[in-house]
Amino acid sequence: GAGVSQSPSNKVTEKGKDVELRCDPISGHTALYWYRQSLGQGLEFLIYFQGNSAPDKSGLPSDRFSAERTGGSVSTLTIQRTQQEDSAVYLCASSVQGRINNEQFFGPGTRLTVL
Amino acid sequence: DQQVKQNSPSLSVQEGRISILNCDYTNSMFDYFLWYKKYPAEGPTFLISISSIKDKNEDGRFTVFLNKSAKHLSLHIVPSQPGDSAVYFCAASARKSGGSNYKLTFGKGTLLTVNP
Repeated sequence: GAGVSQSPSNKVTEKGKDVELRCDPISGHTALYWYRQSLGQGLEFLIYFQGNSAPDKSGLPSDRFSAERTGGSVSTLTIQRTQQEDSAVYLCASSVQGRINNEQFFGPGTRLTVL
Repeated sequence: DQQVKQNSPSLSVQEGRISILNCDYTNSMFDYFLWYKKYPAEGPTFLISISSIKDKNEDGRFTVFLNKSAKHLSLHIVPSQPGDSAVYFCAASARKSGGSNYKLTFGKGTLLTVNP
């Protein structure tokens, strides 16, 4: 079956531009998560969706970051006015429900480079 | 403030021998621990987990040990195979005590290389 997919796989942008990163979770998974991994760091939690609502946005680093999820499926992470420190791999994961013993399945990530 | 620490960025092991990957944590609220494996250009995949009510969990060649008093866990791979070469991430969650039971806190990872 299809796993979690993300697009684009790579994105190079100039400082100050806006970018949109897309995540297609596994069909039927109600929970969706965004993480990012900066160079030499572990995965950092950004936001959690249960269905279309985001009960936990606590990891979003600034108000330049936003995310939405529509139809309980696809999610988009938007970064406005990108900065060089936004350069990282952005990973999306989904699980059947938002419980810790529900395995989180990760996509391959989007590598964002801000010049 | 790193709550989950993997102090060894890399580890090299001979095929057939044991690989031991270590992880330390500082948050005493953590009560569920996981190991993920990541190949280049792929997302992490779940490997094995352990609840704080246990001190050992085994799955085939993989065993995770938890020492709560030391706030330390380790992943043992026996015997190691070249296909095990990957980055291994330790992750933790606080399921109880009001913690968000979905949120994972990750370490920085350890690159394991298993030499033929």
